[in-house]
Amino acid sequence: DAKTTQPTSMDCAEGRAANLPCNHSTISGNEYVYWYRQIHSQGPQYIIHGLKNNETNEMASLIITEDRKSSTLILPHATLRDTAVYYCIVSAHAGNNRKLIWGLGTSLAVNP
Amino acid sequence: NAGVTQTPKFRILKIGQSMTLQCTQDMNHNYMYWYRQDPGMGLKLIYYSVGAGITDKGEVPNGYNVSRSTTEDFPLRLELAAPSQTSVYFCASSYLNNEQFFGPGTRLTVL
Repeated sequence: DAKTTQPTSMDCAEGRAANLPCNHSTISGNEYVYWYRQIHSQGPQYIIHGLKNNETNEMASLIITEDRKSSTLILPHATLRDTAVYYCIVSAHAGNNRKLIWGLGTSLAVNP
Repeated sequence: NAGVTQTPKFRILKIGQSMTLQCTQDMNHNYMYWYRQDPGMGLKLIYYSVGAGITDKGEVPNGYNVSRSTTEDFPLRLELAAPSQTSVYFCASSYLNNEQFFGPGTRLTVL
């Protein structure tokens, strides 16, 4: 069973920021929040992960609430190539909970 | 680096046939994984390996077998193909955490 809840779909205008929410209210103290995306028919691509601090890399920013029960992935300037399904996954780095459990994700459509 | 490579890209099998899906990674990752993805669904873990000689079952292992004789290779074996195994199969690898690198997938149809 997926341990996260995401909206089924979202739209975003090209050049604007895309903010993708994720609820993970049952997250454990040793579990990280991971984000992946899957462009149509391709293998998933890792985006970013974090434990409790906000994280930023060349692709995106990850904002985790202080209680860690939800997070937001931010694509600062969405392009048409960012159209994809985005998966939010919680996972530990060791033990039985280190496996990734994939839900249905959010289908993001970036429109011209 | 080629990353994670998978062969074949496409395959059509008849019911009862067997085949091996190949997966190779050149990043010296210790963890490797096999997933399947049915249309419109998320990925389901079939088997995974934490290193050469060590494999374990995932969520949906029935009908599949794996082996890990080297760090680089993690083949997935289907012994008696069934229509329910029609899916897209992805292989992935990672070093220590769950930053997994995925291959391009194998599209399998069982008729």
